[in-house]
Amino acid sequence: SQQGEEDPQALSIQEGENATMNCSYKTSINNLQWYRQNSGRGLVHLILIRSNEREKHSGRLRVTLDTSKKSSSLLITASRAADTASYFCATDSPLDDKIIFGKGTRLHILP
Amino acid sequence: EAQVTQNPRYLITVTGKKLTVTCSQNMNHEYMSWYRQDPGLGLRQIYYSMNVEVTDKGDVPEGYKVSRKEKRNFPLILESPSPNQTSLYFCASKKGWAGGYSGANVLTFGAGSRLTVL
Repeated sequence: SQQGEEDPQALSIQEGENATMNCSYKTSINNLQWYRQNSGRGLVHLILIRSNEREKHSGRLRVTLDTSKKSSSLLITASRAADTASYFCATDSPLDDKIIFGKGTRLHILP
Repeated sequence: EAQVTQNPRYLITVTGKKLTVTCSQNMNHEYMSWYRQDPGLGLRQIYYSMNVEVTDKGDVPEGYKVSRKEKRNFPLILESPSPNQTSLYFCASKKGWAGGYSGANVLTFGAGSRLTVL
């Protein structure tokens, strides 16, 4: 399986600080995506980065991709209480049509 | 509103009693998929479908069946549920391959179906 692995499993930071989560995967990819999940609800797409891109920004989100290391990072700047959620990376392979998710990082923003 | 609708949202059943979780999308998406989410294991793909009458196994297909007779619907069938199928299930859809347009790979998720098998 090409399942991604997020690191750390859980992260607690003070409101206003930056949060960084990492994702590693095993096989070649077309795209890597990050999703957010609030407490047992459906996942919501945050950002997609293609395999030929190295960095992408969307609002307070910054994603990097290093295909040589098969890893990605998600940076959330100036965190807010509403950012408390679980974050998942997902990869799709050029070899099949599966979209594989990692185990997620639980982020808790402390007031 | 563009959405993926799953039913039921909550279900408690007993071992061996066949059940179906329905999934419907109104976005004319080609690709649909089922995932299960378990603590510590993240989301694991059960089955997916690239289009009508085309289905493929994901990483954990055992004990499940699917069908794709219409583009909008992708039901998940548990013929003989067992307690290890107690989980939170998500249906998701996306546009599918669209000439390299990466946005076609973004999944839209349903709200989830929490299933308990006693």
